[in-house]
Amino acid sequence: DAGITQSPRHKVTETGTPVTLRCHQTENHRYMYWYRQDPGHGLRLIHYSYGVKDTDKGEVSDGYSVSRSKTEDFLLTLESATSSQTSVYFCAISETNSGGPTDTQYFGPGTRLTVL
Amino acid sequence: AQTVTQSQPEMSVQEAETVTLSCTYDTSENNYYLFWYKQPPSRQMILVIRQEAYKQQNATENRFSVNFQKAAKSFSLKISDSQLGDTAMYFCAFYNTNAGKSTFGDGTTLTVKP
Repeated sequence: DAGITQSPRHKVTETGTPVTLRCHQTENHRYMYWYRQDPGHGLRLIHYSYGVKDTDKGEVSDGYSVSRSKTEDFLLTLESATSSQTSVYFCAISETNSGGPTDTQYFGPGTRLTVL
Repeated sequence: AQTVTQSQPEMSVQEAETVTLSCTYDTSENNYYLFWYKQPPSRQMILVIRQEAYKQQNATENRFSVNFQKAAKSFSLKISDSQLGDTAMYFCAFYNTNAGKSTFGDGTTLTVKP
């Protein structure tokens, strides 16, 4: 257990509403990631962060924004949720080695988001 | 860009028997790592095994071992003495060291039958 929590664990919301998911780590790791997992698919990277206020886009970033004001927290925001964003969202962290991320990622328990 | 292909959406095996899950990948990188993750019904992603691409020796973790064929870009997972608790979805993942990012396959659902 790498000390990663996600909140909320489940959320149901309506189309057009804003939603923020939180990832919290107790390990003080520099690198944090947000993925989504859809039925029949593996994890796809939404956004990632390599330090406080340092973030970058992944392969499926449209419709999502992120913020990292503290090392321990990485927030994922859906500004105006759509039904296509119904998914399970995973946060992950990785340690730092020689200034870059290590290869092994540790995952949080996931958040199931349903957009009606 | 990397791609990871798991060609077996579902597999089943009898308890105590051996099963092999397939994974192929496509990359032009030389510096990378490969992983197998297990995702039981609880949804938690659990690291099963890790392989460094520059090592020829296949990684082993207890009942789990891999067959890493770098030239063929193949990375299969063998589970020996299958147990009911091995029932889960298994994901193959490729880590690009230069980019610092991972690419996942679509998963194989494994059912261990009593």
